[in-house]
Amino acid sequence: AQSVTQPDIHITVSEGASLELRCNYSYGATPYLFWYVQSPGQGLQLLLKYFSGDTLVQGIKGFEAEFKRSQSSFNLRKPSVHWSDAAEYFCAVGDISNFGNEKLTFGTGTRLTIIP
Amino acid sequence: NAGVTQTPKFRVLKTGQSMTLLCAQDMNHEYMYWYRQDPGMGLRLIHYSVGEGTTAKGEVPDGYNVSRLKKQNFLLGLESAAPSQTSVYFCASSSRTGGFNEQYFGPGTRLTVT
Repeated sequence: AQSVTQPDIHITVSEGASLELRCNYSYGATPYLFWYVQSPGQGLQLLLKYFSGDTLVQGIKGFEAEFKRSQSSFNLRKPSVHWSDAAEYFCAVGDISNFGNEKLTFGTGTRLTIIP
Repeated sequence: NAGVTQTPKFRVLKTGQSMTLLCAQDMNHEYMYWYRQDPGMGLRLIHYSVGEGTTAKGEVPDGYNVSRLKKQNFLLGLESAAPSQTSVYFCASSSRTGGFNEQYFGPGTRLTVT
C-alpha cells in the first residue's frame, strides 16, 4: 500500500525567505503526486501535480516541486514567501493500481507560519 | 458554477443522535469521496463512489454509511454518533477521463459530538 510522509509538522519562515516543504512517498510504480494547500477554515486547493515527464513542475501561487525518484521525494519550494502563504500543506500520492478505483493517500500535513 | 458544496457547515450532536451530511457537485463528475480530517492525521478516506448507485469503503468506514442515488449528490450518514466522530468532514469529486484526475474539495463540515 502507498504511504506519504511529511516529516515537518510545523515550519516558521520569515516573509521574503525561501521555503522548502519535504514529502517522501512509498509506492510500487510511477507515482501520481500532488500538493494541496488548506487555508484556515477552508477546503483543500490543488497547488500542483506530477504525473510524468519533466521532474520539475510549476504550480499556482509561485510554487514548484521536484520529483526525485531515487529519493522517493516530491518537495515543494517557493523562492520568496508572502504572508498569505501561511496555511497547511498536504502532499498526496494517487493509487491507480485498480482502474476505476483511484484513491489519494495524504500525508499528515505541514503547518506553515510566516513571521514579518 | 459552484463546484463542490457541503451542507451543513457546522453541527453539534449529542452521542447517539443521527445526522446526514450532504455533498453536491455541479461538474458532472463520476467519482465522489468523503474524507475526515483530524489533527496530526491528515485526511483519511471514509467512503467513495465511482458512479451513481455505487459506493465502496475507504480506510475508515466504520460508523458511517453513504448513498449516491443521484450523480451529483453524495450523502454521508452517521446513524449513532460517537465522540470519536468529532472531526472536520470533506467531500471531494473528480472526473474519470483516464490516468489520475484532480480531486476538487468542498469547504468542509465541522462536526462536534458531545
